[in-house]
Amino acid sequence: QKEVEQNSGPLSVPEGAIASLNCTYSDRGSQSFFWYRQYSGKSPELIMSIYSNGDKEDGRFTAQLNKASQYVSLLIRDSQPSDSATYLCAVNAGSGNTPLVFGKGTRLSVIA
Amino acid sequence: GAVVSQHPSWVICKSGTSVKIECRSLDFQATTMFWYRQFPKQSLMLMATSNEGSKATYEQGVEKDKFLINHASLTLSTLTVTSAHPEDSSFYICSAKPMTGGDNSPLHFGNGTRLTVT
Repeated sequence: QKEVEQNSGPLSVPEGAIASLNCTYSDRGSQSFFWYRQYSGKSPELIMSIYSNGDKEDGRFTAQLNKASQYVSLLIRDSQPSDSATYLCAVNAGSGNTPLVFGKGTRLSVIA
Repeated sequence: GAVVSQHPSWVICKSGTSVKIECRSLDFQATTMFWYRQFPKQSLMLMATSNEGSKATYEQGVEKDKFLINHASLTLSTLTVTSAHPEDSSFYICSAKPMTGGDNSPLHFGNGTRLTVT
């Protein structure tokens, strides 16, 4: 059973701080990794993808991947109240059209 | 790019009736689309994998005769909730992966359909 684990939270950070969201996965053969943001009552939206070890930065977001440790993280710098949402980690552990494996999500609350 | 359109965005129906939800990939083709369901404050649950030109693959515990999936073209999949009951009230979300993107392409989600069965 391929699994993706996330701390459900809530993770509370003050406005302007760095929010750090973590994710571990069970399938060592996984090749691609994604972070989605889901606001309450809305569908998930893709915010970051990462495929190789190291850091990938996009604006205030940085995704970090460590395949040896089977660990993915998302850092949000200068957190804003509008970043308050549930963040879903997803892993592509198969080929072709196998579905992504999603974690249950971490709820982030940015306090103004 | 990679826009997935889902319609309707919300629907209210009476118990015992059927509801059809459409999912379209607007600017890409997808041989496979995925249907999810999400109850309030719960995580996404994969219901089924919709395959263009062939039968859908349902996850364990999802009744294929109740949730009819048709993937008639490379840009359209439909989910029909048959004989809906109040316990079917949920947020239904479709997603798709571009054919041309390769194995590592992300999923793109539609905006979801909120179904309320009275």
